[in-house]
Amino acid sequence: EAQVTQNPRYLITVTGKKLTVTCSQNMNHEYMSWYRQDPGLGLRQIYYSMNVEVTDKGDVPEGYKVSRKEKRNFPLILESPSPNQTSLYFCASSLSPAGGLKTQYFGPGTRLLVL
Amino acid sequence: QKEVEQNSGPLSVPEGAIASLNCTYSDRVSQSFFWYRQYSGKSPELIMSIYSNGDKEDGRFTAQLNKASQYVSLLIRDSQPSDSATYLCAVGRAGGATNKLIFGTGTLLAVQP
Repeated sequence: EAQVTQNPRYLITVTGKKLTVTCSQNMNHEYMSWYRQDPGLGLRQIYYSMNVEVTDKGDVPEGYKVSRKEKRNFPLILESPSPNQTSLYFCASSLSPAGGLKTQYFGPGTRLLVL
Repeated sequence: QKEVEQNSGPLSVPEGAIASLNCTYSDRVSQSFFWYRQYSGKSPELIMSIYSNGDKEDGRFTAQLNKASQYVSLLIRDSQPSDSATYLCAVGRAGGATNKLIFGTGTLLAVQP
């Protein structure tokens, strides 16, 4: 089954404790992206990757890191989480490197609470 | 001004009626337009994509695009309670290395049985 998977689905952590949210897709997609969704602010892009070893900042990259060592995986790293990073996070992928111009498929989401 | 604007709703329609959802965007170079449906606590799911002016129909859904007016809409015919969800308008913008999708904040649709 073609899908985007994320882990964990739910996470409660404390300020400053490093964490990684994994994202994996099995569709051989070139483009992958991370979004956060907050009430009243909608979905905002954190980072994106147009291919292996090619990543760039989205609209709200502060406090986040990513890597793209393999085509299928695109982990999101919070080196020192803060309460303002409490949010619902989505990973997405798209076949075309022009990810903004083609259909993106979303993972199930990771709900993060930083105390 | 937000890049993609939607009325937050809720938009309430009776079962069987036509629901009309609207979206405006600010960047004239936008090239692709999408409607996603999102149930509470779930991930966005693509409903429609449209790339050129006019109407595009898929089952009960019709997307309408007017680039001159920078306006895109989604019509849902014969609305069902299962259509109750938040509908996200997304606009794709190409810009060299910054191909990106800009989302509106969504319109909450409530279909009353």
